[in-house]
Amino acid sequence: DIQMTQSPSSLSASVGDRVTITCRASQGIRSDLAWYQQRPGKAPNRLIYAASTLESGVPSRFSGSASGTEFSLTISSLQPEDFATYYCLQHSNFPFTFGQGTKLEIK
Amino acid sequence: QVQLVQSGAEVKKPGASVKVSCKASAFSFNVYAIHWVRQAHGQSLEWMGWINAGNDDTRYSQKFQDRVTINWDPSANTASMELTGLISEDTAMYYCGCGFAGIASIESWGQGTPVTVSS
Repeated sequence: DIQMTQSPSSLSASVGDRVTITCRASQGIRSDLAWYQQRPGKAPNRLIYAASTLESGVPSRFSGSASGTEFSLTISSLQPEDFATYYCLQHSNFPFTFGQGTKLEIK
Repeated sequence: QVQLVQSGAEVKKPGASVKVSCKASAFSFNVYAIHWVRQAHGQSLEWMGWINAGNDDTRYSQKFQDRVTINWDPSANTASMELTGLISEDTAMYYCGCGFAGIASIESWGQGTPVTVSS
């Protein structure tokens, strides 16, 4: 199975900050990576697919990038509604695997 | 966008089975796949398996291979996931999701079905 190592596991930041979350794959996954936001008690919501393509309706402050087996989600200027948990998902090989999650909290 | 509506909460005893359904709307079944993902309280998401609604091809995580069955009923536009031999560690929220068939990410999610395993 492909392991997705996500970091950090938690992050404290302030409104207006720029933050970056990273997922590293244990082997090559091309650009077969998506990012999800999950608010408490809700289902995940896809933000980014194909490593860097913004889902329709998602604010442009969210962006994704890739370099080899390392993938990043950046939020350019945190808004109050962005405080949530974020997950990456590799869908290059079965079984699909998620990162362990990053909980973004208000400082 | 595809909408997915799941069946209601379940409480089961250890050793029992549970079956969760997921009804899809605005869904071209011949191009989509349905995934099942679970999440224990406070834990990460865990992919369980997938069915190609167009050809009934299924793939399962090896962790659940012996206990899970995913089906698709085209007449009802409904997928189901049955998990047998329940243990307390199976207590979790179970989500269905859909994405294009093949190797594609999950684009839409159901609302989740809580399953509690307790004696």
